[in-house]
Amino acid sequence: DIVMTQSPDSLAVSLGERATINCKSSQSVLSSSNNKNYIAWYQQKPGQPPKLLIYWASIRESGVPDRFSGSGSGTDFTLTISSLQTEDVAIYSCQQYYSVPTFGQGTRLEIK
Amino acid sequence: QLVESGGGLVQPGGSLRLSCVASGFTVSNNYMSWVRQAPGKGLEWVSVIYSGTNREYPGHTEYTDSVKGRFTLSRDNSKNTLYLQMNSLRVEDTAIYYCTRGPTGYPNWFAPWGQGTLVTVSS
Repeated sequence: DIVMTQSPDSLAVSLGERATINCKSSQSVLSSSNNKNYIAWYQQKPGQPPKLLIYWASIRESGVPDRFSGSGSGTDFTLTISSLQTEDVAIYSCQQYYSVPTFGQGTRLEIK
Repeated sequence: QLVESGGGLVQPGGSLRLSCVASGFTVSNNYMSWVRQAPGKGLEWVSVIYSGTNREYPGHTEYTDSVKGRFTLSRDNSKNTLYLQMNSLRVEDTAIYYCTRGPTGYPNWFAPWGQGTLVTVSS
């Protein structure tokens, strides 16, 4: 199985500042047939299920604020929140769907 | 919308059946999965059942290695409901179990997710 490793495990950012979360896969999740990266990002608030934010590494799900963006290719990916809001406090997880789905361990994002 | 039920406290070696009722879409026409989350841990995909419209493998099921031979995923099309029969439960199966959908197939990203049902395996 592909192992997904996120960094950091936790992150504290001031309101209005940029938050950056990294995700690394143990092998490339870039398909040569369609040139797409098989990466999704989720937000999970306390006591709630995960919510899909981004798929194909950079496509925002409908209704997700544009302060959330995804980037990267191959084995290295990033989720960026351009201007942190109070409601963004959550755990963020990456997932690969290139093969049997696997998830990163999660990154806890807090307000500094 | 997805609504799970059936979780609870069970002794090691026991059984539980989880249910997931869908509204707003047809379970049998979708790739439905269970994903679990152990306390304080990350998400782990458990099982998938293929759409009934899959040309080659309609209704095919797959499982993560740790549950093969113990868990069985099925669906009742008349009730638009997904089931996860869990036998020979182990302490390490303790988790919140989420029902979710792969919108365009398998493997896939997952959306939407149910609220989850807690399974606790303990003596």
